[in-house]
Amino acid sequence: EPEVTQTPSHQVTQMGQEVILRCVPISNHLYFYWYRQILGQKVEFLVSFYNNEISEKSEIFDDQFSVERPDGSNFTLKIRSTKLEDSAMYFCASRAYNEQFFGPGTRLTVL
Amino acid sequence: DQQVKQNSPSLSVQEGRISILNCDYTNSMFDYFLWYKKYPAEGPTFLISISSIKDKNEDGRFTVFLNKSAKHLSLHIVPSQPGDSAVYFCAAKRGSSNTGKLIFGQGTTLQVKP
Repeated sequence: EPEVTQTPSHQVTQMGQEVILRCVPISNHLYFYWYRQILGQKVEFLVSFYNNEISEKSEIFDDQFSVERPDGSNFTLKIRSTKLEDSAMYFCASRAYNEQFFGPGTRLTVL
Repeated sequence: DQQVKQNSPSLSVQEGRISILNCDYTNSMFDYFLWYKKYPAEGPTFLISISSIKDKNEDGRFTVFLNKSAKHLSLHIVPSQPGDSAVYFCAAKRGSSNTGKLIFGQGTTLQVKP
């Protein structure tokens, strides 16, 4: 069964460093998403991506964040200068119709 | 912004009995609702969904009920199994949203005791 994959599973970085989180969505899906979940809180929408451009972003998704689909399979989230409060689980999701399918997540720890 | 609320942080049921997880929403523009199950250190797994034009959707042991007038939905699991123990999230999508952005509730931790 096709699934969304994410790498790395865990990323530790120093405050101020850049990180890139990678995702491979399900191959025939056209809509891509990033969500995050801070420990103990709800899953929050960050950004949606369709037709090679951002279709919607949350207020969390400021200038420090960017997304890219560099080729036909990968979908990346870049945080330019990480802050302590960026520590969270980051989930990639994709969909063809109404249901979104999530990857296993990347745990980002900012020290 | 508490548009989707799951007021019970936890629920414990006996194996074989029914589990009922509840979810309330405030935005009448939501037109599609989904339930996800999440194990620790894993991503949310899609379980079942319902469109706002329906009041019930069933898939095996899982049934979702939607009461639009009360802005309430519930997930029934019958019979409950120990492997159902997980965090369950309710999520909603606005009809006007072309992006399909989901808004999640806080989650309910279900424990099914053998």
